[in-house]
Amino acid sequence: AQTVTQSQPEMSVQEAETVTLSCTYDTSESDYYLFWYKQPPSRQMILVIRQEAYKQQNATENRFSVNFQKAAKSFSLKISDSQLGDAAMYFCAYRYNTDKLIFGTGTRLQVFP
Amino acid sequence: DAGVIQSPRHEVTEMGQEVTLRCKPISGHNSLFWYRQTMMRGLELLIYFNNNVPIDDSGMPEDRFSAKMPNASFSTLKIQPSEPRDSAVYFCASSLVADYGYTFGSGTRLTVV
Repeated sequence: AQTVTQSQPEMSVQEAETVTLSCTYDTSESDYYLFWYKQPPSRQMILVIRQEAYKQQNATENRFSVNFQKAAKSFSLKISDSQLGDAAMYFCAYRYNTDKLIFGTGTRLQVFP
Repeated sequence: DAGVIQSPRHEVTEMGQEVTLRCKPISGHNSLFWYRQTMMRGLELLIYFNNNVPIDDSGMPEDRFSAKMPNASFSTLKIQPSEPRDSAVYFCASSLVADYGYTFGSGTRLTVV
């Protein structure tokens, strides 16, 4: 069965600094999708970035980028130039084909001024 | 597009009462998912539909929970009778293709007293 693990329950970063959130997963599939979702206090789940497993190039979205290591089954999220608005819960998620999204337990990110 | 619309946003009910949560997916999306979020268990998939047909309901906790999708633009999640342990945030999400993840609604916070 596929699993997603986020080993950092909480992280903190100074405004304008860079922070990396970790995620590992387990699967026997070769073609799948990985996602990072942000959940601010408003509780809305917001898609931050996605990665297709067959693409070797790491995805980037403005200040957000990933380090995708397929062999190691690792999918970390890097947030550059952190802003106060980045404070939220961040969830890593895995999806195979049209199947369900499997979420990790989340990492709470605090941003200090 | 208005996104995925859930109602109500908050629901407070007494133990034993019937609760119905509603969801309108994004027009054109053919998959719909119901998730439950609690502090203890994180995000759990309850059930999902493809083309209005239930595909996997293995996450439905017990017979008190039922879900329907009578047409492509509407789904309900019903709890009867409700219990205090059902208190959680319930999310609905919809999707068109696997690689773009889900779009979530704003969730319904259910409190059973």
